[in-house]
Amino acid sequence: TQLLEQSPQFLSIQEGENLTVYCNSSSVFSSLQWYRQEPGEGPVLLVTVVTGGEVKKLKRLTFQFGDARKDSSLHITAAQPGDTGLYLCAGAGDYKLSFGAGTTVTVRA
Amino acid sequence: KAGVTQTPRYLIKTRGQQVTLSCSPISGHRSVSWYQQTPGQGLQFLFEYFSETQRNKGNFPGRFSGRQFSNSRSEMNVSTLELGDSALYLCASRSVGQNIQYFGAGTRLSVL
Repeated sequence: TQLLEQSPQFLSIQEGENLTVYCNSSSVFSSLQWYRQEPGEGPVLLVTVVTGGEVKKLKRLTFQFGDARKDSSLHITAAQPGDTGLYLCAGAGDYKLSFGAGTTVTVRA
Repeated sequence: KAGVTQTPRYLIKTRGQQVTLSCSPISGHRSVSWYQQTPGQGLQFLFEYFSETQRNKGNFPGRFSGRQFSNSRSEMNVSTLELGDSALYLCASRSVGQNIQYFGAGTRLSVL
């Protein structure tokens, strides 16, 4: 059973469109992290959110952490083909990360 | 600074065999974690080592084991391989006091 539920599972959009990926948890974690993984590679950390209500921006990516620290979202503005990949959210605690199943994002040129 | 290095990148084994995977963490990182990634189950935590001691273990059978050496390098071993063990095995290292894990590119294990 996944502690973290991600939606949608798949997302295919045209270059220039916006997209949002959601991550909902049944537990509260000390921090929540977002990763992107490309084929043949390991996940690469995009951001860590710690405080409830926190909003972080990384160029065209905006990350939000819910007030109760149990849900998060990743919004990409004006998506580009380089944004294609598997987006994973992960809750940190007890010396391990608990991952969601991931959202596969495909941005078509 | 070199990243996390996993060897080998690809492995093909048959059922019943055993396999050993290796992970060299980022220099100075003393925590090493292992994860299994499959299309059906996603990324699942296997175990975490710090200073040669296992601090946490995921819900995997005893066929999966690991160890860490004094130089922080880590190995994981899977004995009596089953078809379902086919997966990408990822290693991640972390610095003391940091919550950021850096992943290697993984070892792709195929069990035939």
